[in-house]
Amino acid sequence: KAGVTQTPRYLIKTRGQQVTLSCSPISGHRSVSWYQQTPGQGLQFLFEYFSETQRNKGNFPGRFSGRQFSNSRSEMNVSTLELGDSALYLCASSIPAGTYNEQFFGPGTRLTVL
Amino acid sequence: AQSVTQPDIHITVSEGASLELRCNYSYGATPYLFWYVQSPGQGLQLLLKYFSGDTLVQGIKGFEAEFKRSQSSFNLRKPSVHWSDAAEYFCAVGARNDYKLSFGAGTTVTVRA
Repeated sequence: KAGVTQTPRYLIKTRGQQVTLSCSPISGHRSVSWYQQTPGQGLQFLFEYFSETQRNKGNFPGRFSGRQFSNSRSEMNVSTLELGDSALYLCASSIPAGTYNEQFFGPGTRLTVL
Repeated sequence: AQSVTQPDIHITVSEGASLELRCNYSYGATPYLFWYVQSPGQGLQLLLKYFSGDTLVQGIKGFEAEFKRSQSSFNLRKPSVHWSDAAEYFCAVGARNDYKLSFGAGTTVTVRA
C-alpha cells in the first residue's frame, strides 16, 4: 500500500506570496492532519480534517488554511508569506479507528521563504 | 492540555551500546503515547505506540518503551544500537477523541563507531 505523498517536496517563495501544498493520504484513510516543523518551535499542529470538515485547529494565524476533498486528499494554503513560515510541513493520515489516532506521516514539503 | 518533555536534546552513544531516551508527559487522563523517528530530510516513522494494557511495548527496529503512570514517563530503549539508529527521536502524546498529537522537542542521537 502506498504511503502518504506530499507535493511538491521543495518550494521556494518570496515574502508576500501565497503557497498551496498538497497531501494524498494512504488509501482508505479519511483523516488528514498538518504539522509545521521548525528548528525553533519544533513540531506544531496546524489542523486536522475528516470527511471534508475541519475538526481541530492549532494556534496559527488565519493566513494558514486548509481543506479536504471528497477523495480525502488535502491541501493547505499559506497566504502573505513571511520569513518565519519557512519550515518543513508534514502531512499525516489516519483511518481514524475509534477513539485513538495513529498517524502515518509523509516525507514533508520543505518551504523556504526569501 | 497535554504536553511532552524530552529532557535530553542530544545523546551520543557508541555502536553496540544500549540507548535510553527519556520522555515525560503531562495529561490528566490516560494518554496515548508514541515514539517517532526522523532521519535527515525525511518524515516521521512510527516506532511504537501505547494505548492501554501491557506497559512494556515492543516496536520496530528492536526498540521498546515502558509506560510508567506514576512517573508520567514513556522512555524508549534499545539494547544495542546500530549506526543506522542515528536520527532524531520524538515522543508524542495524543488524547482520547482528540485529533492531534503534541510532540516533544526531540532528541538527536549520534552513534559513534
